[in-house]
Amino acid sequence: SYVLTQPPSVSVAPGQTARITCGGNNIGSKSVHWYQQKPGQAPVLVVYDDSDRPSGIPERFSGSNSGNTATLTISRVEAGDEADYYCQVWDSSSDHYVFGTGTKVTVL
Amino acid sequence: EVQLVESGGGLVKPGGSLRLSCAASGFTFSSYSMNWVRQAPGKGLEWVSSISSSSSYIYYADSVKGRFTISRDNAKNSLYLQMNSLRAEDTAVYYCAMGPGIAVAGQEFDYWGQGTLVTVSS
Repeated sequence: SYVLTQPPSVSVAPGQTARITCGGNNIGSKSVHWYQQKPGQAPVLVVYDDSDRPSGIPERFSGSNSGNTATLTISRVEAGDEADYYCQVWDSSSDHYVFGTGTKVTVL
Repeated sequence: EVQLVESGGGLVKPGGSLRLSCAASGFTFSSYSMNWVRQAPGKGLEWVSSISSSSSYIYYADSVKGRFTISRDNAKNSLYLQMNSLRAEDTAVYYCAMGPGIAVAGQEFDYWGQGTLVTVSS
């Protein structure tokens, strides 16, 4: 089965840039979606199709995808960005959705 | 405004059954694929099942295939998850989530409900 690997945690100072990676075999050939989940809340879509942002999501959130790694970048990090982040893809070989292991972003 | 409200969660014994519902409003329900995603306490997100807008395409995670059944009633703007032969490892918050269109494969999940907790314990 297809596996998506994320770092368990990323720490960043306010105003700096956070980069969250999502590793998977040839993930660059798939569309990657990213979700933000704050404690006690439902996930929220922040990036879809590798690099598109839903309406209402700040431009500070951006995405890229190439080779075996997709990346969610949060620029000018704010305290309110502290949350868990998950990547997601569709694995066409198994007709399954797959979520990454999740990354906890801590704002120092 | 899109709203997804899950219900039907609760405490059930191992081997028991439960039916979850997701009431949708604020959009044309019959035009969108729908999904169930769960999250065990303190754990990450796990995809459970997806259904296309017309119920023509249905997919399940290996962990629930043969035990869970996803369905929808477009006339009632409702999504369902029938869960049978429940196990302790099925304990989780179950979210319903809306896809961006009629197709079910390869899509993002645009909107999520607040979830309903299912606890499987004797």
